[in-house]
Amino acid sequence: GDSVTQTEGPVTVSESESLIINCTYSATSIAYPNLFWYVRYPGEGLQLLLKVITAGQKGSSRGFEATYNKETTSFHLQKASVQESDSAVYYCALDYNQGKLIFGQGTKLSIKP
Amino acid sequence: ETAVFQTPNYHVTQVGNEVSFNCKQTLGHDTMYWYKQDSKKLLKIMFSYNNKQLIVNETVPRRFSPQSSDKAHLNLRIKSVEPEDSAVYLCASSFTEVFFGKGTRLTVV
Repeated sequence: GDSVTQTEGPVTVSESESLIINCTYSATSIAYPNLFWYVRYPGEGLQLLLKVITAGQKGSSRGFEATYNKETTSFHLQKASVQESDSAVYYCALDYNQGKLIFGQGTKLSIKP
Repeated sequence: ETAVFQTPNYHVTQVGNEVSFNCKQTLGHDTMYWYKQDSKKLLKIMFSYNNKQLIVNETVPRRFSPQSSDKAHLNLRIKSVEPEDSAVYLCASSFTEVFFGKGTRLTVV
């Protein structure tokens, strides 16, 4: 079946350091699923951070980037310089059928000031 | 700004009781969903509902049932709760992307 695996948390990074959260997927029901990163900030609901629907393309938002790599079936989330406000839980997800999402287990990110 | 509204935020109940959670979206979307986030923080889809067509995840126990009065509302009823139903339930809606509510945390004692 379809699945998503991401970096096991929690992850702690010092402010202004770079970040990478790994995400790999397995898609059996759809060849090239739409890929997403969602984020949940403390006290808030789950919200879309970025999405990419075309293999080979890169998505970006709020300084974060992720590239859809169909060869390695990966969609790693990166940021060159994190801020304290980036502390949150990050979820990688794929859309296997018109809005039905499969999520990774989530990665809790803490930023050290 | 949140456009998918869930009530209540929290609910504590005893085993065997019936509970119902409300969800309303103001985005004009045609499709709504319920997801469950369990104690291990895993998020899994339970139902999707589009144009009166319900698609059920086969792993969802029959005591769970969605209820819709119109395309802006999709409530979730649990007929006789069990301890393993303790979780956060997230409502969502979509057109081209999925928007989530803040969730309802259910604790079964």
